[in-house]
Amino acid sequence: DAGITQSPRHKVTETGTPVTLRCHQTENHRYMYWYRQDPGHGLRLIHYSYGVKDTDKGEVSDGYSVSRSKTEDFLLTLESATSSQTSVYFCAISDPGGASEQFFGPGTRLTVL
Amino acid sequence: GENVEQHPSTLSVQEGDSAVIKCTYSDSASNYFPWYKQELGKRPQLIIDIRSNVGEKKDQRIAVTLNKTAKHFSLHITETQPEDSAVYFCAAKAPGNAGNMLTFGGGTRLMVKP
Repeated sequence: DAGITQSPRHKVTETGTPVTLRCHQTENHRYMYWYRQDPGHGLRLIHYSYGVKDTDKGEVSDGYSVSRSKTEDFLLTLESATSSQTSVYFCAISDPGGASEQFFGPGTRLTVL
Repeated sequence: GENVEQHPSTLSVQEGDSAVIKCTYSDSASNYFPWYKQELGKRPQLIIDIRSNVGEKKDQRIAVTLNKTAKHFSLHITETQPEDSAVYFCAAKAPGNAGNMLTFGGGTRLMVKP
């Protein structure tokens, strides 16, 4: 597996609380992504980063924000968690150029009660 | 933006049979089509990919075919084994997006019965 870790791996929180998920990579890949995975919906892109301090919205960005202050870390924040944000969250990395392959982290299971 | 549809959502086959999963995409400019396998509780992992300048690619028991005219691509698994049981995702990448973004299909749960 590529050098990608996510923390925490599991989290249970209550509606209305802020939550931050961390993705850390040791591959020095330029691009990083946050996806959520829900039954029947596959993997949906929340936000992505194409460089340090360069981020943009994906398909399902409402209620989420991200930050990338250095190459190796990409943070996903739920400012005020809702039950609809209960999901499995995957981080992925990729490098520009011909390969285009995305490598996924191990995932974070988030439950919002 | 790009839209990817994947069928079927579930597929059950007998060990040794073949399995075919099909995907269609909407953006005719898309040029990269990967397939990911996700075992229960694990991360998605790339198993095979194809670029738009190639019609077919094989890797042992798996193959992918691409029909650019019809805008569809398929994953073929021959001689299925129980360890092939997993969820499979197709994806497509349109050129020119700032971050190599992929659009994924909804997934196919493949069950191989011994």
